[in-house]
Parts: sequence; C-alpha cells; structure tokens
Amino acid sequence: LAKTTQPISMDSYEGQEVNITCSHNNIATNDYITWYQQFPSQGPRFIIQGYKTKVTNEVASLFIPADRKSSTLSLPRVSLSDTAVYYCLVGDNGVNAGNNRKLIWGLGTSLAVNP
Amino acid sequence: EAGVAQSPRYKIIEKRQSVAFWCNPISGHATLYWYQQILGQGPKLLIQFQNNGVVDDSQLPKDRFSAERLKGVDSTLKIQPAKLEDSAVYLCASSLNTNTEAFFGQGTRLTVV
Repeated sequence: LAKTTQPISMDSYEGQEVNITCSHNNIATNDYITWYQQFPSQGPRFIIQGYKTKVTNEVASLFIPADRKSSTLSLPRVSLSDTAVYYCLVGDNGVNAGNNRKLIWGLGTSLAVNP
Repeated sequence: EAGVAQSPRYKIIEKRQSVAFWCNPISGHATLYWYQQILGQGPKLLIQFQNNGVVDDSQLPKDRFSAERLKGVDSTLKIQPAKLEDSAVYLCASSLNTNTEAFFGQGTRLTVV
C-alpha cells in the first residue's frame, strides 16, 4: 500500500495558479494517482486521475514525472470556491486490480483561497 | 442523475446505545464503500462491497460494527454499542466497479456523548 505525503496547508489568492505536490516514493507499477476535493460538511469529490506524464480535464491538470514518485495537482486561476481539502491517493486501479482496490487517504492539503 | 443518498444527516446518541446508517448508492453501481472520517483526518475505509459480497472489511471493528448490502443495492451500517471514539462522519460511496471513480454521499455526522 503506497503512502502519500502532501503539505498540510496552503494559502493562495484569487486568480492565481495553485500547485499541490504529493510524494509517493513506494508507488507500485499498477498504481494510479487520484486526487479528490472535499468541502466542509460534504463527501469528497473526484477531481482527476492519472498514471504517467500529464492529464488535463476541465477542472485541473495532473503532472506525473517519469519516476512517478511524486505528482502535482495544478489548479488554474483559483477562486474562493476552490477553498477545500485536497487528497492525493495512490492505489491499484488498473484493469488487473481485481476486487482489491485499496486507496489510503492521508490528511490532505487544506487550501485557503483569499480574496 | 441522482447521487449517493445517505440518512440521517445527523445523529446524537449516548455511549453504549445502538445506531444505524442507511445508504442508497447510484443506480447501477456495483461497488459500495463505507468510510469513517474523524474530524481533521482523511476518510478511513471500513468496508467495501462488490454487489452483495464483502470485498474488504479489514478495518471494520467487527466486535461493534456490522454492515450489510442485501440484494446488492442499499446498504446499512450499524454500531452496537457505540463508544465516544466513534464520533465521526460516516461516508458512503459507490462506483460502477472497483476500478472506477467513487461518488460520495454527504455523510452522516455521528456524535456519541
């Protein structure tokens, strides 16, 4: 089971690009990297998932270097509504995962976006 | 599309009492998860179902917690008897299968006094 390490908190301002880095030194070959966002009093919400290089969707980009021992979630031009906790998870999510998908949730990164 | 429904939203009980939570996953989702999230921490997986079978319950305190998913749709999580340290938000999530993104409900906030 891969353990992840990410900053406990980050501060930003509206309109800035925010990059949250997560380290996962013991990532396994079959592991995917998944990021979730959680607002207070709500359940987490899937943001993005990737295996290597770069993945982009309408919400964020995910950068994964060749060694895959870390990943960076990039949020372009954040707004106040992006204030939330962001979780980085690493787990076996490939087609060969079978029925044992285990994602370990850390403490997450509490992002505060200021006006 | 309807999301994952959970009830109740809030529950306050005294220690040693029993409590049950209910979850209705997104229609067609075979995989259902129950998580416990203590304030300030990330969610911790309690149990994972694939249809009506248990895939992983390694972190479920089986002396007091139980869960079932009869007919492979709705699920209930029960705590009997509750302890003070069970105070947390209990999140239910579902996914199409074990290797697809999970959709979470709003959770049930349990306070044990």
